[in-house]
Amino acid sequence: DAGVTQSPTHLIKTRGQQVTLRCSPKSGHDTVSWYQQALGQGPQFIFQYYEEEERQRGNFPDRFSGHQFPNYSSELNVNALLLGDSALYLCASSQGQGPIGYTFGSGTRLTVV
Amino acid sequence: ELKVEQNPLFLSMQEGKNYTIYCNYSTTSDRLYWYRQDPGKSLESLFVLLSNGAVKQEGRLMASLDTKARLSTLHITAAVHDLSATYFCAVVGGTYKYIFGTGTRLKVLA
Repeated sequence: DAGVTQSPTHLIKTRGQQVTLRCSPKSGHDTVSWYQQALGQGPQFIFQYYEEEERQRGNFPDRFSGHQFPNYSSELNVNALLLGDSALYLCASSQGQGPIGYTFGSGTRLTVV
Repeated sequence: ELKVEQNPLFLSMQEGKNYTIYCNYSTTSDRLYWYRQDPGKSLESLFVLLSNGAVKQEGRLMASLDTKARLSTLHITAAVHDLSATYFCAVVGGTYKYIFGTGTRLKVLA
């Protein structure tokens, strides 16, 4: 049973560029959440997608946007990259709002230079 | 805004010793999670605590929840080197998002 799959695992971008990160949820999960984890900090909620719509959003600027596809996979897009966007981006999938909690992917390490 | 605080932030302990990590949160929540993270890796789920007084144990780790005190503890018994990692608690903030604590970086010395 495949868990949460994220791609790419690492990437390096230049300030001002745009990036797209991808996530395939665990089989049977229909909800995808994205988190940003800066070095030495806890993950911070970016947004959550359910039924192809953004259901809730954290305190992130509009440069961060996302999408969920009919097969429940999701993309995170970041425009006009800043040095401060360098972080580990974690995708987490779950089934609705159930209490069992998230399954996290292995993350995408984004470095902005 | 829900806030989650952990202490200590750093913990260096000898193998065989016991210690407790504390997680305080600022408003009511009906779910609390503990995760482990190894350097450069993702988050591994350890425990989910769903009610006041809940206690879960796995190996040398035991987690408990006191919703009245808004406090969860992660107790480490007879620590071994393999437990070295960063531990996060997370509380459900609102319906959909987790609020993570600051993390406790644990180093177990041989």
